[in-house]
Amino acid sequence: EVQLQQSGAELVRPGALVKLSCKASGFNIKDYYLHWVKQRPEEGLEWIGWIDPKNDNIIYEPKFQDKASITADTSSNTAYLQLSSLTSEDTAVYYCAREVRRVMDCWGQGTSVTVSS
Amino acid sequence: DIVLTQSPASLAVSLGQRATISCKASQSVDYDGDSYMNWYQQKPGQPPKLLIYAASNLKSGIPARFSGSGSGTDFTLNIHPVEEEDAATYYCQKSNEDPYTFGGGTKLEIK
Repeated sequence: EVQLQQSGAELVRPGALVKLSCKASGFNIKDYYLHWVKQRPEEGLEWIGWIDPKNDNIIYEPKFQDKASITADTSSNTAYLQLSSLTSEDTAVYYCAREVRRVMDCWGQGTSVTVSS
Repeated sequence: DIVLTQSPASLAVSLGQRATISCKASQSVDYDGDSYMNWYQQKPGQPPKLLIYAASNLKSGIPARFSGSGSGTDFTLNIHPVEEEDAATYYCQKSNEDPYTFGGGTKLEIK
């Protein structure tokens, strides 16, 4: 079964950084682009960017260029999203998703990040 | 960048009736003969779920009461007949090029 299993909820201090994981099963991440999407409480979906784990090519939505860092580890079939200099604006659920021919066909369950002192 | 504007922001539809959601792009999302517009359904506490891809293609396993249409800059998601379980928020998304922007969402309530 194709699945994306994301890491657990995070409570982090303002100014800190956090690294979220997204472990794939049922497929090899080298064969697909993996995307990250942000959803603030009671708000819509924001696309952060994608990575091609085959060659580590990465594209970011410009507004996340200085906030997010997407990486992948093909040996563990896992993608990562690191968020830095956290503020209350970063409090959100973050989803990873697999792309197949320009469509996000499989999503992780989401990781909740709460930024609070 | 292309902006996607969904309307209405919310709607209430009676059980068995039709729900129509519009998504307008600020520029065409067509490329090489295909329209790169996708539709997702999201229920509270769950990740989005793909319903329609490339404007009008129903994902396998999605009920046939969901349908999509459109090309260029104007797209529509129809649900008919609406069922109780269709209460959710619906998002359009463009994927012709980066960034893969989402529309603002439409919340569907079933009366």
